[in-house]
Amino acid sequence: QSALTQPASVSGSPGQSITISCTGTSSDVGSYNLVSWYQQHPGKAPKLMIYEVSKRPSGVSNRFSGSKSGNTASLTISGLQAEDEADYYCCSYAGTSTYVVFGGGTKLTVL
Amino acid sequence: QVQLQESGPGLVKPSETLSLTCTVSGGSVIIDSYYWSWIRQPPGKGLEWIGYIYYSGTTNYNPSLKSRVTISVDTSKNQFSLKLSSVTAADTAVYYCTRDRNSGDYMDVWGKGTTVTVSS
Repeated sequence: QSALTQPASVSGSPGQSITISCTGTSSDVGSYNLVSWYQQHPGKAPKLMIYEVSKRPSGVSNRFSGSKSGNTASLTISGLQAEDEADYYCCSYAGTSTYVVFGGGTKLTVL
Repeated sequence: QVQLQESGPGLVKPSETLSLTCTVSGGSVIIDSYYWSWIRQPPGKGLEWIGYIYYSGTTNYNPSLKSRVTISVDTSKNQFSLKLSSVTAADTAVYYCTRDRNSGDYMDVWGKGTTVTVSS
């Protein structure tokens, strides 16, 4: 069982928007603005898409955005494209001992 | 840009020690504010942080694996390494090395990953 809770799957049609939630606790998501999101295509390594809750690395499309409220972080993908179909993982800092915890991953299907 | 490459045996026998090395190219392991981690992903499952090392040698390990994990760094070779002892089938996974910004902020560079199977 993962430390952060994500829906197992979400889906949307091309052009639509979807949101993936990531629920933690007051010991991780709720305490730090250090939530990151990773995209993983089959057989590939994860790729950083969002860091520090809502910041985008250089080269990541502005269709990807992040937010946080209380113990829940969210990733929104607007204008869905076929290439967005992948697994998405959230991650949060959880203190010096635990360091980071991940969500169980969400499979995004573009219909 | 910085690239990471994992290397090591793809098959390890139960009870033995898994050993992997991550070679850093396009940059140096000696860099302030960046940590070097190992993360694994069992088949069909999610990601699990194993531990990290700073170039100074400071380490931190996942409490659930701490008794079996050792991470070291060789600055002369621009590499860092993972040793996981007393492995079982549950340690079968794809192992990634990563570069972490600050301590626990985000992983901005990932290796391609290497599959390690624990089997006799």
